[in-house]
Amino acid sequence: DQQVKQNSPSLSVQEGRISILNCDYTNSMFDYFLWYKKYPAEGPTFLISISSIKDKNEDGRFTVFLNKSAKHLSLHIVPSQPGDSAVYFCAAENTGNQFYFGTGTSLTVIP
Amino acid sequence: KAGVTQTPRYLIKTRGQQVTLSCSPISGHRSVSWYQQTPGQGLQFLFEYFSETQRNKGNFPGRFSGRQFSNSRSEMNVSTLELGDSALYLCASSLVSGGYDTQYFGPGTRLTVL
Repeated sequence: DQQVKQNSPSLSVQEGRISILNCDYTNSMFDYFLWYKKYPAEGPTFLISISSIKDKNEDGRFTVFLNKSAKHLSLHIVPSQPGDSAVYFCAAENTGNQFYFGTGTSLTVIP
Repeated sequence: KAGVTQTPRYLIKTRGQQVTLSCSPISGHRSVSWYQQTPGQGLQFLFEYFSETQRNKGNFPGRFSGRQFSNSRSEMNVSTLELGDSALYLCASSLVSGGYDTQYFGPGTRLTVL
């Protein structure tokens, strides 16, 4: 049972435009959400996180939005750069420090 | 501060053999989690160790086991390997500060079962 879902396996965006990656979750007990970026042959790298008491968190070009009522979060990358091309995983954490990951979205930024 | 390290990086085994993978967490991190990544399946949680005890366990058969040592280093063992065990095995460590954590991943061990 996949509790965290990324329904778009892939996304292509032109350099300089906005990339929007989406993630849905089913468990209302999740309180903390994270985004990771993964290049081939490397482990995932932590990007940005958000607590359920917030609806937005920003770090440079990366912004995460959380809509608790819809159980939905999104990652915005503005402006997108070719180096952003990677697989992006969203993750949710419960109070027991257990993490649940989505299946990933492969982002390609076209120069 | 050194990141999470995993050894070996690549491994080729045959069906029926067993394998042991090693993970050294970031210094000071007390929790180590293991994940299996296969194409299209995302990161499947195997188990988590904290203070040498298994704290959480995913839905994998008993052929998959692990342990954690007093210095927080962890090992994962897979016995009687099957072709379907071919995957990237990732280790992640976290601090366990009492609140919410961030997991930091190692580079992974690529296991190929022939």
